[in-house]
Amino acid sequence: GQNIDQPTEMTATEGAIVQINCTYQTSGFNGLFWYQQHAGEAPTFLSYNVLDGLEEKGRFSSFLSRSKGYSYLLLKELQMKDSASYLCAVRDSNYQLIWGAGTKLIIKP
Amino acid sequence: IAGITQAPTSQILAAGRRMTLRCTQDMRHNAMYWYRQDLGLGLRLIHYSNTAGTTGKGEVPDGYSVSRANTDDFPLTLASAVPSQTSVYFCASSELAGSTDTQYFGPGTRLTVL
Repeated sequence: GQNIDQPTEMTATEGAIVQINCTYQTSGFNGLFWYQQHAGEAPTFLSYNVLDGLEEKGRFSSFLSRSKGYSYLLLKELQMKDSASYLCAVRDSNYQLIWGAGTKLIIKP
Repeated sequence: IAGITQAPTSQILAAGRRMTLRCTQDMRHNAMYWYRQDLGLGLRLIHYSNTAGTTGKGEVPDGYSVSRANTDDFPLTLASAVPSQTSVYFCASSELAGSTDTQYFGPGTRLTVL
């Protein structure tokens, strides 16, 4: 079966750095996505990785290792507005997105 | 530019009733998708359409039907609602071109079936 694993919840302090991990087992791999979802709102696109390595986008970076079936999202200089769920999704061999259950990130002052 | 709109925002429905959730996009995207999101579970694909006139089944299609008469609209119909269909439903669209093919989501419909 196909599986995406992420921690259910994480807590971090404003101004700090947090790393959210995602491991996957899917039938084929055609890219990995990270989305942000605030409570009661729609998911919004954050990042895309298809090759191994780090993609940096301002305060957010995403890393991929295809051989390990592993990705992480790194958030720097945390702000209160970063309190949200972060969803990891992998595009499989059928070009469909398989979604993790999401990691709820709580930011404390 | 509205992007993707969904209607209604929320609905309480009696079991056994028929219900159509509406989704419209103005980005001229080729592909459209319907997902349901339940607590503790990832987004699950119900149905999708890669282009107007074609549809396909996702992971959880039973009890749902879709149509794609034109590029912009992709309604989802529950023929006879059951309580297990209580969920938040998201419509999404993508260009279906290029390597990234990012999906963009509508605001969602919160459906309660009693």
